[in-house]
Amino acid sequence: GNSVTQMEGPVTLSEEAFLTINCTYTATGYPSLFWYVQYPGEGLQLLLKATKADDKGSNKGFEATYRKETTSFHLEKGSVQVSDSAVYFCALSDPGGNNRLAFGKGNQVVVIP
Amino acid sequence: DAGITQSPRYKITETGRQVTLMCHQTWSHSYMFWYRQDLGHGLRLIYYSAAADITDKGEVPDGYVVSRSKTENFPLTLESATRSQTSVYFCASSGTGIGYGYTFGSGTRLTVV
Repeated sequence: GNSVTQMEGPVTLSEEAFLTINCTYTATGYPSLFWYVQYPGEGLQLLLKATKADDKGSNKGFEATYRKETTSFHLEKGSVQVSDSAVYFCALSDPGGNNRLAFGKGNQVVVIP
Repeated sequence: DAGITQSPRYKITETGRQVTLMCHQTWSHSYMFWYRQDLGHGLRLIYYSAAADITDKGEVPDGYVVSRSKTENFPLTLESATRSQTSVYFCASSGTGIGYGYTFGSGTRLTVV
């Protein structure tokens, strides 16, 4: 079935550092790919998305490129701020069209001043 | 205001009691979903609905009941609450079409004592 794998463990980094969170997927067909962010005490918010191979999604300084050849959708930001501290989830849509998303386990990101 | 709202925000209930969590969306989205979020388990789908009067089980449906008599409402009922159902519950909605992500509510933190 469709699935998403995110790197294990929290990510701790200093302000202005470069952030990468890895996401790889397994899917039949051509899924859409998403990154969601969850700030403490809140629900998940859509951060960015890409709907076809080689598309780049971007928002708030974050970027991710849909790489079909490596089945990846890694999230990057060039210079993180303390306010970027949150949990980040990678997700893919079921290409079968029932609107179900498969979520990764999420990565806690902590940015230290 | 447009959006997706969950109520209550916090709930404490006793083991064996019935409790209903409410979810209301104002976009007339076809799809609605209930997830629970627990440390170490990420997001797990409980039930989902493709339209009014159409519901289906997710990964962890046991002990839960849903209904969807109107497009905008999707209540989740715990028929006889157990301590293992202590969790944060998120409702989400989605329109149809490629790349249509989810919009999440703010969550209900349920504690069963």
